[in-house]
Amino acid sequence: GQQLNQSPQSMFIQEGEDVSMNCTSSSIFNTWLWYKQEPGEGPVLLIALYKAGELTSNGRLTAQFGITRKDSFLNISASIPSDVGIYFCAGQLRMNRDDKIIFGKGTRLHILP
Amino acid sequence: NAGVMQNPRHLVRRRGQEARLRCSPMKGHSHVYWYRQLPEEGLKFMVYLQKENIIDESGMPKERFSAEFPKEGPSILRIQQVVRGDSAAYFCASSPVASSTDTQYFGPGTRLTVL
Repeated sequence: GQQLNQSPQSMFIQEGEDVSMNCTSSSIFNTWLWYKQEPGEGPVLLIALYKAGELTSNGRLTAQFGITRKDSFLNISASIPSDVGIYFCAGQLRMNRDDKIIFGKGTRLHILP
Repeated sequence: NAGVMQNPRHLVRRRGQEARLRCSPMKGHSHVYWYRQLPEEGLKFMVYLQKENIIDESGMPKERFSAEFPKEGPSILRIQQVVRGDSAAYFCASSPVASSTDTQYFGPGTRLTVL
């Protein structure tokens, strides 16, 4: 079945640092999604990417849909304490009524005081 | 416009009991998806429903689990004769009539603990 490898699993950074995380897949997707999950809550959509090569920003967040359609990255610039949480990449195929999302295992972002 | 609502937020059951998890999609959304999340893991797809139809249940265990999305009322995920391994967070997501640019919005989840 489709699998997503997300790295790193955890990050410990200082406030103000930039963050980079990525996701690779064993198969292609036609949509890449990045979600953030905070304790006790459901995932919240941060960025959706629909075309290979697409680069999209949402405030301090930037994500790209890889040319091969098998990878994506998320960058966070100038991290702040509220960036703490788990970031999930997800791929979606969107064809033949198959809309299910395949999730990576998440990158846990910790910000050191 | 209220988001996806799930209840209860926390549910405790003893082994062998039944668990019923409810999901009310966002207004105007007719597609519902259920996912399960184990500790330290990502969400795993279970089932995709439209009103009165199960579209894809490829991620749902064949036994003890069932889901419905009736014409009126919330979607229900039902787990019969729960076992300890069913302890997890169960998330529901909804989306509007399928289009190439819409995606799924998640509820806050139901955390099931089986004693």
